[in-house]
Amino acid sequence: DTAVSQTPKYLVTQMGNDKSIKCEQNLGHDTMYWYKQDSKKFLKIMFSYNNKELIINETVPNRFSPKSPDKAHLNLHINSLELGDSAVYFCASSQPGTARTGELFFGEGSRLTVL
Amino acid sequence: AQSVTQLDSHVSVSEGTPVLLRCNYSSSYSPSLFWYVQHPNKGLQLLLKYTSAATLVKGINGFEAEFKKSETSFHLTKPSAHMSDAAEYFCVVSDQNYGQNFVFGPGTRLSVLP
Repeated sequence: DTAVSQTPKYLVTQMGNDKSIKCEQNLGHDTMYWYKQDSKKFLKIMFSYNNKELIINETVPNRFSPKSPDKAHLNLHINSLELGDSAVYFCASSQPGTARTGELFFGEGSRLTVL
Repeated sequence: AQSVTQLDSHVSVSEGTPVLLRCNYSSSYSPSLFWYVQHPNKGLQLLLKYTSAATLVKGINGFEAEFKKSETSFHLTKPSAHMSDAAEYFCVVSDQNYGQNFVFGPGTRLSVLP
């Protein structure tokens, strides 16, 4: 039973299209994230939600819009796709501790290719 | 602000020899530190984490790391490399005072030669 699952795993689309990636976690965690991994393997946080509330919103084009219908789901919608959006997008979750940070649990990633 | 530096973008070792992947961090408060591994075309897996007073942390697959506050370092070691260790390794810092923000280093690619 997968802890953090993302769909789709692969996504190939044309420039200008709109696409969504879905993420679900069954760990009971309060916090969920979207990370973008570029072609050089660099991982950068995009968004973080804690119990459906946006807590981290990095400098990301407003074509990217996260949506958290409940604390177990965090979806990513991308409008007007551009070539530079091609990357692997990782969903993750964590459970904040009272004194220290809990670790991140990652999904398998969604590879987006924009043609 | 938090940041992570991984001093080597690529490390190459022979099978059976020791592995050392270096990580230095910057954090205003007492951080939590992690090492993650990513095999080709796979997701990220936690190797080990430092979140308590035990400064020497043991992880999976024979890896360990030592937290040195005075040097702001969290280097990853393994006594004997195996071919299956070839992967990308990420050092990560987090602090609850930064709203559960996990900051990743740029990664170190480990190659293991037969």
